Amino acid sequence: KQEVTQIPAALSVPEGENLVLNCSFTDSAIYNLQWFRQDPGKGLTSLLLIQSSQREQTSGRLNASLDKSSGRSTLYIAASQPGDSATYLCAVSASNTGKQFYFGTGTSLTVIP
Amino acid sequence: GAVVSQHPSRVICKSGTSVKIECRSLDFQATTMFWYRQFPKKSLMLMATSNEGSKATYEQGVEKDKFLINHASLTLSTLTVTSAHPEDSSFYICSARAPVFGETQYFGPGTRLLVL
Repeated sequence: KQEVTQIPAALSVPEGENLVLNCSFTDSAIYNLQWFRQDPGKGLTSLLLIQSSQREQTSGRLNASLDKSSGRSTLYIAASQPGDSATYLCAVSASNTGKQFYFGTGTSLTVIP
Repeated sequence: GAVVSQHPSRVICKSGTSVKIECRSLDFQATTMFWYRQFPKKSLMLMATSNEGSKATYEQGVEKDKFLINHASLTLSTLTVTSAHPEDSSFYICSARAPVFGETQYFGPGTRLLVL
């Protein structure tokens, strides 16, 4: 069964810093990988979706990369802002089991003003 | 577009009662809906996958008689927690997918269930 791990579990940085969140998965046979943001007590907001054939995706200050062969993805956040404070989840969709997502354990990010 | 709603957003019930949670795709027809649960400070765990008009597929360890899922139309799926107990207290989130959107899933805002 696919297992998704995120490191670090929690991260606190001063405003303006660039930061990297890591995601690793055990089964490289994925269909795609997606990064989400979750605010406390709320649902999920999709940030970036990377197809298995792609290496990276960018949206504004966010850049996500995918190395399928090594089972890793990173989310790079440039010039962090207090509004970026949230929990970031990565999820991979399986290529052969209905394409549902398997979620990582999440990284709780706090950006200090 | 691509909005998914859940109702109720929050529910408190007594132990032993049943609770129904609705997941609706408001502006598209969802051929597949997924149900997840999330414990405090934990990630989402897939419970089941439901396709319109067919029986749901449950993940290993999820009791199908405990968590009844119905996907009777292309815009509505329901999750019924039967004979709820305090350990069922959790945050339940649904997502919906449609062929027109490819593999993108759209998530509902979640339902917080507290069983007393």
